Amino acid sequence: KAGVTQTPRYLIKTRGQQVTLSCSPISGHRSVSWYQQTPGQGLQFLFEYFSETQRNKGNFPGRFSGRQFSNSRSEMNVSTLELGDSALYLCASSAQGAGTEAFFGQGTRLTVV
Amino acid sequence: EDQVTQSPEALRLQEGESSSLNCSYTVSGLRGLFWYRQDPGKGPEFLFTLYSAGEEKEKERLKATLTKKESFLHITAPKPEDSATYLCAVQVDNNDMRFGAGTRLTVKP
Repeated sequence: KAGVTQTPRYLIKTRGQQVTLSCSPISGHRSVSWYQQTPGQGLQFLFEYFSETQRNKGNFPGRFSGRQFSNSRSEMNVSTLELGDSALYLCASSAQGAGTEAFFGQGTRLTVV
Repeated sequence: EDQVTQSPEALRLQEGESSSLNCSYTVSGLRGLFWYRQDPGKGPEFLFTLYSAGEEKEKERLKATLTKKESFLHITAPKPEDSATYLCAVQVDNNDMRFGAGTRLTVKP
């Protein structure tokens, strides 16, 4: 059974640009959650999508947005990038929803210069 | 405000030396407590979910327990391959997930 796939693995962007990250969940999983991980703040919840609807959202500015497609694949977009957005972005898929036996991808390492 | 605190921040053990990691939480409406293991450069790997006080779960050398205020991850006779960062997370009423900062475990042969 294929795991959670995130693309790209590494990304370098310039301040002010925007970026789109992709996450393909485990087949049959309808929930995809996104997290930001930094050395200073640890793992922080961004949002969760379930069957194409955003079900929950963490405390992040509106520059961070996402969507989920009918095949459960999800994208996360960050607009007007700031240096502080440099982080490892992780997505997790689960059958039931955020947290319940969630399986994480390898993450996308975003560096903003 | 919902908070999750893990201790210690770092723990160094000799192979075979058993110990426990702590996760204390202050949340309104706990829906579940989760333990993950994370290796450098990788995403977290799911270990356990605990839902109610008194619940225990085991997997190989790991055992997780839950009380109304904290959870422990007991590691029995650890091996060097158990070296990793162990993360605790709680899911609260609005489905928000709050993670602790993690405990970085090093097991020396």
